[in-house]
Amino acid sequence: GDSVTQMEGPVTLSEEAFLTINCTYTATGYPSLFWYVQYPGEGLQLLLKATKADDKGSNKGFEATYRKETTSFHLEKGSVQVSDSAVYFCALSRNTDKLIFGTGTRLQVFP
Amino acid sequence: DVKVTQSSRYLVKRTGEKVFLECVQDMDHENMFWYRQDPGLGLRLIYFSYDVKMKEKGDIPEGYSVSREKKERFSLILESASTNQTSMYLCASREGSGGMRTFGSGTRLTVV
Repeated sequence: GDSVTQMEGPVTLSEEAFLTINCTYTATGYPSLFWYVQYPGEGLQLLLKATKADDKGSNKGFEATYRKETTSFHLEKGSVQVSDSAVYFCALSRNTDKLIFGTGTRLQVFP
Repeated sequence: DVKVTQSSRYLVKRTGEKVFLECVQDMDHENMFWYRQDPGLGLRLIYFSYDVKMKEKGDIPEGYSVSREKKERFSLILESASTNQTSMYLCASREGSGGMRTFGSGTRLTVV
């Protein structure tokens, strides 16, 4: 069945460091791919999405490119801030009803 | 902005109790969802609903039921709470079949 695999956390970085959180998926066809973010004490918010191969989603300085050949959707940010500390979830959807989440990766950014 | 409100942020219940988790959305969305979030497991879908009085099982419905008597409210019911239901519960809503989900802030339930 469909699945999403994320790198385990926590990822610990200093402010202004480069961030990569790896995400790979298994699915037939062409799923839509998402990154959600959960700040402390809050629900999930959609961060960015991509709906077809080679699409790049971007928001708040974060980017992720839909790579069909490597079945990946890695999240990147050039310079993280303390306020980016959160849990990040990669997810896929092959139809609009089912959203399959990865296990989440906690990011901790220190000043 | 759509707001999804979960009535309780934290709940502590005893084993065997009947537990109601309430979720209300204010944007007339047709679809509503209940997930549980556990460390190392991510989010797993418990139940969802397309419309009033309609419900569909998700991936882990055992031990849970739901109620949707009004469009804006979707309740998750634990008929007889057990310690393995200690978790963070997240409600979400979505407009139609193509919209994005909006999540509530979650209810952290502890069953003792």
